[in-house]
Amino acid sequence: EIVLTQSPATLSVSPGERATLSCRASQSVANNLAWYQQKPGQAPRLLIYAASTRATGVPARFGGSGSGTEFTLTIGSLHSEDFAIYYCHQYNNWPPEDTFGQGTKLEIK
Amino acid sequence: QLQLQESGPGLVKPSETLSLSCTVSGGSINTNSYYWGWVRQPPGKGLAWIGNIFYDGNTYYNQSLKRRVTISMDTSKNQFSLKVTSVTAADTAVYYCVRVPLVMVTALHLPTWFDSWGQGALVTVSS
Repeated sequence: EIVLTQSPATLSVSPGERATLSCRASQSVANNLAWYQQKPGQAPRLLIYAASTRATGVPARFGGSGSGTEFTLTIGSLHSEDFAIYYCHQYNNWPPEDTFGQGTKLEIK
Repeated sequence: QLQLQESGPGLVKPSETLSLSCTVSGGSINTNSYYWGWVRQPPGKGLAWIGNIFYDGNTYYNQSLKRRVTISMDTSKNQFSLKVTSVTAADTAVYYCVRVPLVMVTALHLPTWFDSWGQGALVTVSS
């Protein structure tokens, strides 16, 4: 099983500042990685797929980068609605054996 | 606009079978363009993939759940379903149904990310 480790577990950032979240895979997943945002009481929302492609309707301040085992989600100039939990997800295996990271909670500083 | 809606009992007794359905509106599940799947989230914890189904009936499951999980589809109702047998308290979770785009690589239809989610259904396992 591919293990995804997200860091930090909690990130405190002020509105208007930049946030950088990390996801590390235990083995290469090429660019087969997605990022999701989850707010309390809501379903996750797809933000990024194929490591760096923004999903439909996702603001340009969200950016993904990386390949292989190291990935980053960057949120530039944080808005109040961006404070949430973020998960990475790898879908590299065939047959499928998808896994998620444990999440990074982005909180207001 | 695509919508997914989970339905089923919110309380299941230990050792019994958890059954959920996902009704899809705004699109057909009988398509070779998407897989359909299930993801769960125990209270206060992270996300876990359960499995996927393709329109031809092929299914793929998380190895840790494979012996207890069945995903099926009813194209006449535009629904797909999840059954988990022999449940314990560890199966208490919010269960989400999802749509899964695919990519073609050689002759394989490879499932990818989860682009649409249902609102989730909380299932509690308790006597």
